[in-house]
Amino acid sequence: AQSVTQLGGHVSVSEGALVLLRCNYSSSVPPYLFWYVQYPNQGLQLLLKYTSAATLVKGINGFEAEFKKSETSFHLTKPSAHMSDAAEYFCAVSNAGGTSYGKLTFGQGTILTVHP
Amino acid sequence: DSGVTQTPKHLITATGQRVTLRCSPRSGDLSVYWYQQSLDQGLQFLIQYYNGEERAKGNILERFSAQQFPDLHSELNLSSLELGDSALYFCASGTGVSGNTIYFGEGSWLTVV
Repeated sequence: AQSVTQLGGHVSVSEGALVLLRCNYSSSVPPYLFWYVQYPNQGLQLLLKYTSAATLVKGINGFEAEFKKSETSFHLTKPSAHMSDAAEYFCAVSNAGGTSYGKLTFGQGTILTVHP
Repeated sequence: DSGVTQTPKHLITATGQRVTLRCSPRSGDLSVYWYQQSLDQGLQFLIQYYNGEERAKGNILERFSAQQFPDLHSELNLSSLELGDSALYFCASGTGVSGNTIYFGEGSWLTVV
């Protein structure tokens, strides 16, 4: 079984400040990990994914995440927040390999608010 | 634009009714996934099809069913609808190869009244 915990349902930062969105996972097999962003009334857009290559993963829009196996974490960061980053962010886990790849287990989401 | 097309975008229907949601995957993608997003349950995996065959099943109710057709489009059928079925239903597609990106459509908003 696999699960994802996103700490902090709401995160508020000032424009230009560091963004840190936390994600911890539980998986009995090596995981694939994803961060998706959802803007209001839109679908889910992939920000980045970890698929057992480099542990530091760079994504779109300046976001990156680091896979830390010892901490079972995959936190999302961005050095400088922009107003356009305001959205809801979802961390997800999938079993690496096998026929059930793509069966994602999502966290509850974190709403990011960016203040001018 | 993810390349995954879902119709209808919005749907309002009464309790007890049946609806069909349609999904066209990205060109070349063989896998289709259905997800439900609701305020109380969050984002939940419902079911996956790969090249016409059911591949994985999640928390899908017995009142719900899905299929994938030879042209790879998929339909999610929801019957005997209840108020609690009101949600955003996402379709996603992928190649089915581990590690490849799963792309999501913009969803179908279902409101049951």
